[in-house]
Amino acid sequence: DTGVSQNPRHKITKRGQNVTFRCDPISEHNRLYWYRQTLGQGPEFLTYFQNEAQLEKSRLLSDRFSAERPKGSFSTLEIQRTEQGDSAMYLCASSLSGGGYTFGSGTRLTVV
Amino acid sequence: AQSVTQLDSQVPVFEEAPVELRCNYSSSVSVYLFWYVQYPNQGLQLLLKYLSGSTLVKGINGFEAEFNKSQTSFHLRKPSVHISDTAEYFCAVMGNAGGTSYGKLTFGQGTILTVHP
Repeated sequence: DTGVSQNPRHKITKRGQNVTFRCDPISEHNRLYWYRQTLGQGPEFLTYFQNEAQLEKSRLLSDRFSAERPKGSFSTLEIQRTEQGDSAMYLCASSLSGGGYTFGSGTRLTVV
Repeated sequence: AQSVTQLDSQVPVFEEAPVELRCNYSSSVSVYLFWYVQYPNQGLQLLLKYLSGSTLVKGINGFEAEFNKSQTSFHLRKPSVHISDTAEYFCAVMGNAGGTSYGKLTFGQGTILTVHP
């Protein structure tokens, strides 16, 4: 197992377009998390799954954002009608219940 | 709810000098505490964590941190830094109830450590 994998590493999109990111967690980890990090800030929680159930969503996750983890394995994060304010690094992490996370390298989104 | 304050946004230090990065937290419940390091354009790597037991925890790369419940602090220290320690460091807290974590990490805003030769 090579850790948490995120694709793509970089995404440039025009304002108003939809984008989708994928995260493949460590296979035995039952929890999967999405965070957003803007320049000069710490990561901010977006949502997390335990197996396929989405257990918590931040109020940062507007109705333009949706996350899925259909079979309790990989997850996707979709942003519809992107805005310039969505430009950020989107980080995925996985863990067993409790303890520390393992983070992926992130997907850097630039909305132009 | 939890919150984290990292008291220094930037810490410059000379190579082989000691360093302390300060972190204070607030929480209405018991917490687990973490320090992560982030190199440019990369994800976060766990340095160390406090879950229970000894308040002095040792991590990778020679770092250690001490949990002080009365002062609600979790400062990160290293006795002698190297150029390769130059990175951004994040303190984070996770609430828990009876040993079961809430799952969500709350991060501080980060401290940029710059080690000069």
